[in-house]
Amino acid sequence: DVQLVQSGPELKKPGESLRISCEASGYSFSSYWITWVRQMPGRGLEWMGKIDPSDSYTNYSPSFRGHVTLSADRSTSTTYLHLSNLKASDTAIYYCARVELPENYFAPWGQGTLVTVSS
Amino acid sequence: QSALTQPASVSGSPGQSITISCTGTSSDIGSHDLVSWYRQHPGKVPKLIIFENTKRPSGVSFRFSASKSGNTASLTISGLQTEDEADYFCCSYAGSSTFVFGGGTKLTVL
Repeated sequence: DVQLVQSGPELKKPGESLRISCEASGYSFSSYWITWVRQMPGRGLEWMGKIDPSDSYTNYSPSFRGHVTLSADRSTSTTYLHLSNLKASDTAIYYCARVELPENYFAPWGQGTLVTVSS
Repeated sequence: QSALTQPASVSGSPGQSITISCTGTSSDIGSHDLVSWYRQHPGKVPKLIIFENTKRPSGVSFRFSASKSGNTASLTISGLQTEDEADYFCCSYAGSSTFVFGGGTKLTVL
């Protein structure tokens, strides 16, 4: 089965940095983009960016560019979301999802990682 | 890159049909036949229910159908069931390997 498993919940202080992982299994890791989506408490889904694991080429939403960095490790079939200089407004659930091409839809999704930023 | 526009909420009674609209621009929905829809129950992971404007993945009920015209996509749920009560999000490819979501619509089954 195709599966994406994310790292566990995080509690961080403002100004700190964070790395969330998304480990893929059940398919050829380099053959599919991975995308990341943010969901703030009680809010909708926001597309953050995507990475192509075959060459680590990334694209970001203008809303997140400069604050987020995506990376991939083909040796462990894992993609990472890096967030720097955390603020309380970064408190959210972060999801990774596989991008099916050329249809450009997201499936499956990881289980989500809750990030809480609080002093 | 602005979010696609969806109504904040819709409601219907069991057995009825409802339609959720999703309005974008000529840069996203209007330029690509790549609208997908996701359903999210409270506290759960979003699930794909429609892709490429109108196609249903295997395992998704025939009660879900969708369409696209110009810059607007629509999701219709027929024969409403209580289990359909959830949040629904549209998403469109926006060119240059980027995507944009709608703000989401809360469906209440009365």
